Amino acid sequence: GNSVTQMEGPVTLSEEAFLTINCTYTATGYPSLFWYVQYPGEGLQLLLKATKADDKGSNKGFEATYRKETTSFHLEKGSVQVSDSAVYFCALSERGQGAQKLVFGQGTRLTINP
Amino acid sequence: NAGVMQNPRHLVRRRGQEARLRCSPMKGHSHVYWYRQLPEEGLKFMVYLQKENIIDESGMPKERFSAEFPKEGPSILRIQQVVRGDSAAYFCASSPQRPRGWIHYEQYFGPGTRLTVT
Repeated sequence: GNSVTQMEGPVTLSEEAFLTINCTYTATGYPSLFWYVQYPGEGLQLLLKATKADDKGSNKGFEATYRKETTSFHLEKGSVQVSDSAVYFCALSERGQGAQKLVFGQGTRLTINP
Repeated sequence: NAGVMQNPRHLVRRRGQEARLRCSPMKGHSHVYWYRQLPEEGLKFMVYLQKENIIDESGMPKERFSAEFPKEGPSILRIQQVVRGDSAAYFCASSPQRPRGWIHYEQYFGPGTRLTVT
């Protein structure tokens, strides 16, 4: 079945550091890929998405590129802020009949110290 | 435009009691999804509903769990005879249309209900 694997956390960085959170996936079809962010006590918010190979999703300084050849969708940010502290989830959705399900990775807790 | 609303935000039940979780989708959304998040884990799909129909319940445990989305009112996730292993955060999401072909409609998440079984 489809699955998503994220780098294990927690990840702790200093403000203005460069961030990479790795995400790889296994899918039988040609999925859409997403990064969601969860702030403490809140639900998930869509951070960015990509729907086809080589697409780059970007939002709030975060970027991720859909790499079909390596089945990866790594999240990056050039200079993190304290306010970026949250849990980040990589996810995929299938196309066609199964498109309504989101399959999530286990999440990566990110803490940014001032 | 109000977002997805869930209530209660926190629910404590003793073993053997029933838990009822409510989800009101965003205005204009007729598709609802329920996910469960166990401690320190990602979200797992449970069930997908349209008004008065269960479309996909492949993630629902076979016993004690049920879901509905009536013509009027919120979607309800019902857990009968709760056990400690049911303790988790339950998230509801809604979308405006049914996914089809190459189009994926974004799912908007509620704040979740945190169920604690004592």
